[in-house]
This record gives sequence, structure tokens and C-alpha cells, in this order.
Amino acid sequence: SAVISQKPSRDICQRGTSLTIQCQVDSQVTMMFWYRQQPGQSLTLIATANQGSEATYESGFVIDKFPISRPNLTFSTLTVSNMSPEDSSIYLCSVEARGNQETQYFGPGTRLLVL
Amino acid sequence: EDQVTQSPEALRLQEGESSSLNCSYTVSGLRGLFWYRQDPGKGPEFLFTLYSAGEEKEKERLKATLTKKERFLHITAPKPEDSATYLCAVQAGSGGGADGLTFGKGTHLIIQP
Repeated sequence: SAVISQKPSRDICQRGTSLTIQCQVDSQVTMMFWYRQQPGQSLTLIATANQGSEATYESGFVIDKFPISRPNLTFSTLTVSNMSPEDSSIYLCSVEARGNQETQYFGPGTRLLVL
Repeated sequence: EDQVTQSPEALRLQEGESSSLNCSYTVSGLRGLFWYRQDPGKGPEFLFTLYSAGEEKEKERLKATLTKKERFLHITAPKPEDSATYLCAVQAGSGGGADGLTFGKGTHLIIQP
């Protein structure tokens, strides 16, 4: 299995500011994903981040609001730009691991509160 | 649009009382059915991936089953430490998010001693 860490683990931010969330994996992975989990809701895929190419965004999510970097096979960042209270959520990084079975492992999440 | 529905939304059991959590979905070409456990304040913990009808996987008191008509997670003789939210997710075979997962809202399971 992959060990995934995220920074920061939580933050409280002011409206209109931006926050960059880091995701670090202990092994090289091809596919990395960013999800959002709003209070009382399920996880929703924001985008897929592949090394060496632009991120692919899901319907309802745009690059200007959620720019993503993927500089190498073990690291990615998600920025939440020009934040509003509606962006208060848990943001989760996940990676796809291929081996005996395909699966996706998740990081611990970043809890964001926007005031 | 891919959708996943889990039932029940919440389930309270006595310790040792077995039950099943259900997952239904509409997806354009299923590549995999995933089950996760999520504890409060933590990221989802991977449990199982199922790929085809007739497949079953077990881990301790949990058994995941995928048939043509049924997809469920059965918990046998649960203990209080099994209390968590159990998430079902599907991976579709096509589309821009082909490798990402579509999640249900989960079943919040409470096991009372």
C-alpha cells in the first residue's frame, strides 16, 4: 500500500485568499487524484493529475479555481483560489496503485474552513 | 452521469448482530466496485475492489459480494470497533474521469456493546 501525507492537516482562511495543499506519496505513482468532501456529503472528484501533463478536471471544477501541479511522480499540489465560505470542506489526495489489485489509497485529508 | 446510492444511510446494531450494507449504481461500463471504511476525521481506508459478477472478497468480519443484481458488504458478528462510515464507489470504463471514483454517501454504522 502507499503512504500518503498531506499538508496542512487543517486551516482557517479568510474569504478571498488562496490556500495550497500539498500531497506527498512514499512511492512513485502514475495517477494522483484530488477529491472534495463537503460536510455531510460524499467524496467528489475534482481532478486527475498525471505527471508531465495538464490536470483533467471534472464537470463543475475549473483550473482557475483549483489549479493543480504535478512536478514529479511522488508529489502534487492543489490550490483553492479566491476562497469563499462554500469552499469549506475536506480536501483529499489519492493515488492509484497497481499490483495484485487496482485500488486507490487516500491521504488523511486537509480540513479547510473559510470565514 | 454515474451515480452511487447506498442503503441504509445509518444502521445501529447490537454487538454480534450480523447485517448487510447495500450499494446500487448506474455507470457507463463498470471497471471496478470499491469499498472503503472512513472513521471520523480520517481519510477513507481501502477495504476491497471487486471486478466482475460472482466475485467475493473477505477481510476479518467483512465480506463484499458482487453479483449481476446485488452488491453488498456483509458484516458478520460485528464488534464496537467496526463502527464507522462505509463507502461504496465505482470506477467507470470511459469518460474524462475514467480512473477517478464516484462515491455514494455512505452507510453510518454503529455497533453497540
